[in-house]
Amino acid sequence: AQSVTQLGSHVSVSEGALVLLRCNYSSSVPPYLFWYVQYPNQGLQLLLKYTSAATLVKGINGFEAEFKKSETSFHLTKPSAHMSDAAEYFCAVRTSGTYKYIFGTGTRLKVLA
Amino acid sequence: KAGVTQTPRYLIKTRGQQVTLSCSPISGHRSVSWYQQTPGQGLQFLFEYFSETQRNKGNFPGRFSGRQFSNSRSEMNVSTLELGDSALYLCASSLGTEGDTQYFGPGTRLTVL
Repeated sequence: AQSVTQLGSHVSVSEGALVLLRCNYSSSVPPYLFWYVQYPNQGLQLLLKYTSAATLVKGINGFEAEFKKSETSFHLTKPSAHMSDAAEYFCAVRTSGTYKYIFGTGTRLKVLA
Repeated sequence: KAGVTQTPRYLIKTRGQQVTLSCSPISGHRSVSWYQQTPGQGLQFLFEYFSETQRNKGNFPGRFSGRQFSNSRSEMNVSTLELGDSALYLCASSLGTEGDTQYFGPGTRLTVL
């Protein structure tokens, strides 16, 4: 069965520091992978999506993620954190041939001044 | 293009009552999925409708039901409400095709007293 694991339910970084949010997936076939961000009292907003066109995917707000098949990982990074990045981030997977999305449990990012 | 809309945004009900939530997808999208989000359980998949048919279903009791109309708008119904049903209910729409992307609405915050 497909699953998504996000390591660290809470991550704190200083403003200007590197942001690294971890996501590992289990899938027997090449998946579609997504990162979403959720601000308080809002729905989820798509940050970026991997569809096998390129292993390094660039998204909105300076975020990017790298697909590593050998590690079954799709970690989200941003070189320099901004206060406005404070939110909850969700990794999701959808295996080719299915129409069901599996979401991770989320990582709440806190940015310290 | 207008985004996914959900009505109402907030609801307060008492135990034993029933409730209906509505979701209008992005124009042209034929798939609507529903999720329940709570602090303890995270984002849990309820069901997905595609062209008026339920295509996927999560592990929720029969008190949770849904339907989709010919214009792709969807409703979700919860009967005999329990305190534990208090949550943010999110709707997401997509084309419903291989490799598509889900776009989320702002959610309906349901409080059961």
